[in-house]
Amino acid sequence: GAVVSQHPSWVICKSGTSVKIECRSLDFQATTMFWYRQFPKQSLMLMATSNEGSKATYEQGVEKDKFLINHASLTLSTLTVTSAHPEDSSFYICSARDGTEHEQFFGPGTRLTVL
Amino acid sequence: KQEVTQIPAALSVPEGENLVLNCSFTDSAIYNLQWFRQDPGKGLTSLLLIQSSQREQTSGRLNASLDKSSGRSTLYIAASQPGDSATYLCAVRGGKLIFGQGTTLQVKP
Repeated sequence: GAVVSQHPSWVICKSGTSVKIECRSLDFQATTMFWYRQFPKQSLMLMATSNEGSKATYEQGVEKDKFLINHASLTLSTLTVTSAHPEDSSFYICSARDGTEHEQFFGPGTRLTVL
Repeated sequence: KQEVTQIPAALSVPEGENLVLNCSFTDSAIYNLQWFRQDPGKGLTSLLLIQSSQREQTSGRLNASLDKSSGRSTLYIAASQPGDSATYLCAVRGGKLIFGQGTTLQVKP
């Protein structure tokens, strides 16, 4: 299957700082990318959907000014957690696909810990 | 709004048993259904993808079925092994990929 990478795999930051997470599709062009969040012992919750070159669509309850998503190219999307607080600590997973009916491929996840 | 439910939430079996994990969904208008495996602290590993026009998919000791009309899917694991211990997630794709809560499986040696 296709490969999606994330960087960094884990990050620890101080409260109030901003953190950027990168998601790359390595061997295909990702027309659509997705960002999920997973709390311990819970399932994945979709945060937002982004199409290359356009603004992301956020799920209900997700603050767009806090979780900034940029999908500037067909192989890269970034999630920036602005002014992070301890409650933002979570496992963030990105996903990508190259067509409406095609399979979604998942990155390995980024564990964010905010002190 | 699509809702995905997985039963049971947790399952513990002795090594060698065959087992079935269940997934149900409320909206049958889907593109496909996918089963994933997730080890603690790790990302997702895709196990099987069933397109809406298909009834089942097989990979090694795994077999997944799909009954779109009744909104159900099952994941059958044959001859379970301790290495199969993980959380298994079912996800259904209509417009978005919606996940169930998962079944945490423990296979005891």
